[in-house]
Amino acid sequence: DAGVIQSPRHEVTEMGQEVTLRCKPISGHDYLFWYRQTMMRGLELLIYFNNNVPIDDSGMPEDRFSAKMPNASFSTLKIQPSEPRDSAVYFCASSSRGFGETQYFGPGTRLLVL
Amino acid sequence: TQLLKQSPQFLSIQEGENLTVYCNSSSVFSSLQWYRQEPGEGPVLLVTVVTGGEVKKLKRLTFQFGDARKDSSLHITAAQPGDTGLYLCAGARGNTGKLIFGQGTTLQVKP
Repeated sequence: DAGVIQSPRHEVTEMGQEVTLRCKPISGHDYLFWYRQTMMRGLELLIYFNNNVPIDDSGMPEDRFSAKMPNASFSTLKIQPSEPRDSAVYFCASSSRGFGETQYFGPGTRLLVL
Repeated sequence: TQLLKQSPQFLSIQEGENLTVYCNSSSVFSSLQWYRQEPGEGPVLLVTVVTGGEVKKLKRLTFQFGDARKDSSLHITAAQPGDTGLYLCAGARGNTGKLIFGQGTTLQVKP
């Protein structure tokens, strides 16, 4: 299996622009997680899906952040408008049965908002 | 509020030395996981401990879950340069087992 795939790997954008991060989970995994990692706050869960349905979005920082999962093999995390404080590494992870099972992380998208 | 505190934050040692990384909290967790993350990659799960007092060994790595399930430690024996990386602990809370991550310990093992 190819593992969790994320794109782009790097994104540099200007403040105010829309940013879309993409994730393809491991085939057959029913859970998908979006995390954000910064030096100051470490790794934080933003939102997670079960069978394409958002279950807990309490970690989404603001209304500028939105996530969708239109099908079992694709998810997006969108920031609109982006701000410099959104600069971070964004990880997508998937698992077969939620938090109790191993989460497999993608390589991450390193976002820099100027 | 940081629920899980890791110490030390940074550690630089010579190959062959032993080390221990700590993960502490005032909260009780249903389980605790340890991850290792290399630069430019996502975290990779090393182990999950579930029972208070549990000890698990993975080659030169020994993981222990505190009796009260509030803390954990990772001990590495005879560290090697390949052990270099960011070590993260994550506690599972609530009915869903949602993970709360510590800030991480950056380990550098010099040859």
